[in-house]
Amino acid sequence: DGGITQSPKYLFRKEGQNVTLSCEQNLNHDAMYWYRQDPGQGLRLIYYSQIVNDFQKGDIAEGYSVSREKKESFPLTVTSAQKNPTAFYLCASSRISGTVNNEQFFGPGTRLTVL
Amino acid sequence: GIQVEQSPPDLILQEGANSTLRCNFSDSVNNLQWFHQNPWGQLINLFYIPSGTKQNGRLSATTVATERYSLLYISSSQTTDSGVYFCAGETSGSRLTFGEGTQLTVNP
Repeated sequence: DGGITQSPKYLFRKEGQNVTLSCEQNLNHDAMYWYRQDPGQGLRLIYYSQIVNDFQKGDIAEGYSVSREKKESFPLTVTSAQKNPTAFYLCASSRISGTVNNEQFFGPGTRLTVL
Repeated sequence: GIQVEQSPPDLILQEGANSTLRCNFSDSVNNLQWFHQNPWGQLINLFYIPSGTKQNGRLSATTVATERYSLLYISSSQTTDSGVYFCAGETSGSRLTFGEGTQLTVNP
């Protein structure tokens, strides 16, 4: 099956701990993205990557880090510096045509709760 | 970045009714998408529609790029249409900006 997978589905962590969320895609998409969603709100961009070994900050990158060592993988680390990490995290990917990113497709998400 | 405004924020319908959801953008967009978020949080792609009109079953969408808005039409609504509908626009720079969503409730 082609698609985007995220793991785990639910994640609990204690304050002060770093945690890494997994995102894998087998769509051969060049670009990958991480978004955060808080209850009753829209999605906000954390980081995105258009090519292996390169990534850019989104609107709310503070307290997060990413890596893009492989085209199909884009893990997100929520560090202890993130002041309010409890949220729903969504990963997405898209092809790139010229300078325009094409339609984005989303994974099922990871719900992170900090205890 | 661009601002994305969705209206109405909440909409309650009886099954079988039609509805129109609106999305306004503060600037021109290269890419515009409509999504439906199901109760489990999954974002389902509805339309990729930078301009023009598209239809898919009971749903259709129209984007008027020169006037910076898009409309999503739902006809003969069903209870399974309930959920949150998001629009999102991309300007140069490859960043999708989302609106706050429209919460749709369809009652039997």
